[in-house]
Amino acid sequence: EAQVTQNPRYLITVTGKKLTVTCSQNMNHEYMSWYRQDPGLGLRQIYYSMNVEVTDKGDVPEGYKVSRKEKRNFPLILESPSPNQTSLYFCATKPRLAGGPLVPDTQYFGPGTRLTVL
Amino acid sequence: AQSVTQLDSHVSVSEGTPVLLRCNYSSSYSPSLFWYVQHPNKGLQLLLKYTSAATLVKGINGFEAEFKKSETSFHLTKPSAHMSDAAEYFCVVSDQGPGRRALTFGSGTRLQVQP
Repeated sequence: EAQVTQNPRYLITVTGKKLTVTCSQNMNHEYMSWYRQDPGLGLRQIYYSMNVEVTDKGDVPEGYKVSRKEKRNFPLILESPSPNQTSLYFCATKPRLAGGPLVPDTQYFGPGTRLTVL
Repeated sequence: AQSVTQLDSHVSVSEGTPVLLRCNYSSSYSPSLFWYVQHPNKGLQLLLKYTSAATLVKGINGFEAEFKKSETSFHLTKPSAHMSDAAEYFCVVSDQGPGRRALTFGSGTRLQVQP
């Protein structure tokens, strides 16, 4: 079954304690992305990756890091979480046509990770 | 550059009456447009998508949307609301030009359905 998985699904932590949210996909998609969802703001992109070892900032990258060492995984790292990073986080993936643009089709979303930073 | 504006943050309808959720977009390239729904404490589910084929797009659960290039709109409609339609709806635009963003989300419209 094609899927995007995120772990953990729920996390409560304290300010300054480093954490990692994992994202894994089994569809061999090149493009992966992280979004955060906040009330009244919709989803905002944090970071994205066009392929292995290729990452770039989205709209709200401050306070976050990512890595893409292998195609299937795209972890989101919060080195020193702060309360304003309390949010619902979604990982998403998208295939790319060989040598061409991203497929203008459905983006596959993970189930979400609800993070609370106290 | 691309952007999307959902004109109503909240919409309330009575069960059995029509639903209209409004969305306007801007895009430098030929856009793809999507509507996603999110039920409470659930992930995002694709309702329907427009990718330059027919301008009237039918989706799941009786929803449809019409792409109107002259009005840069992609409003979501349903003839008769059901209680299970209560959720948050996101209009999303994606253009295939160069640049960092593949998807841009609207701020969401919360649909309430009154019995």
